[in-house]
Amino acid sequence: KNEVEQSPQNLTAQEGEFITINCSYSVGISALHWLQQHPGGGIVSLFMLSSGKKKHGRLIATINIQEKHSSLHITASHPRDSAVYICAVRSQGNLIFGKGTKLSVKP
Amino acid sequence: GAGVSQTPSNKVTEKGKYVELRCDPISGHTALYWYRQSLGQGPEFLIYFQGTGAADDSGLPNDRFFAVRPEGSVSTLKIQRTERGDSAVYLCASSLGPNSPLHFGNGTRLTVT
Repeated sequence: KNEVEQSPQNLTAQEGEFITINCSYSVGISALHWLQQHPGGGIVSLFMLSSGKKKHGRLIATINIQEKHSSLHITASHPRDSAVYICAVRSQGNLIFGKGTKLSVKP
Repeated sequence: GAGVSQTPSNKVTEKGKYVELRCDPISGHTALYWYRQSLGQGPEFLIYFQGTGAADDSGLPNDRFFAVRPEGSVSTLKIQRTERGDSAVYLCASSLGPNSPLHFGNGTRLTVT
């Protein structure tokens, strides 16, 4: 079993839809990161969380430390949000990645 | 602005050759990570430096892979006797400390023919 599990693996949405991507982990962590990777592009850090909730524009990230679960939400989705979203946890200094969720937003 | 710089951006080499991939982190960042990513997969951890020392090298797949960071800034990932299975994008990330936001380079795409 992977230490970081993301769901869904693939997600197709219509423009304007509310999107949720989930991440569960099984190790003790000091922080959780949500990352965005566009096709052929580098990785951009969206959020770093250790508790609670953070919001940046249309993106919201939440984490429940007791349940070892985090969600990334995108409100009013847009085709430019199409990318792979990766959850990564910081555990004893190391960074463990999920396999990513490929999001495609159709106009 | 000085982000994380990786060179070369692309490297094509023949099977059996030696390659070096360079990562220049953001100035002052003590934590440096190497990953590799195959097509359609998430990044796979290779090695993590805190300062000059390798804090965790458990992700290096075998002894053909080695990484150094002699002065606590630039790091070089070295691959000996390359194999076709080493073809991937090699990513580097740095952070101010082990619990600070990450900054990624654009990666080096390695192709072993």
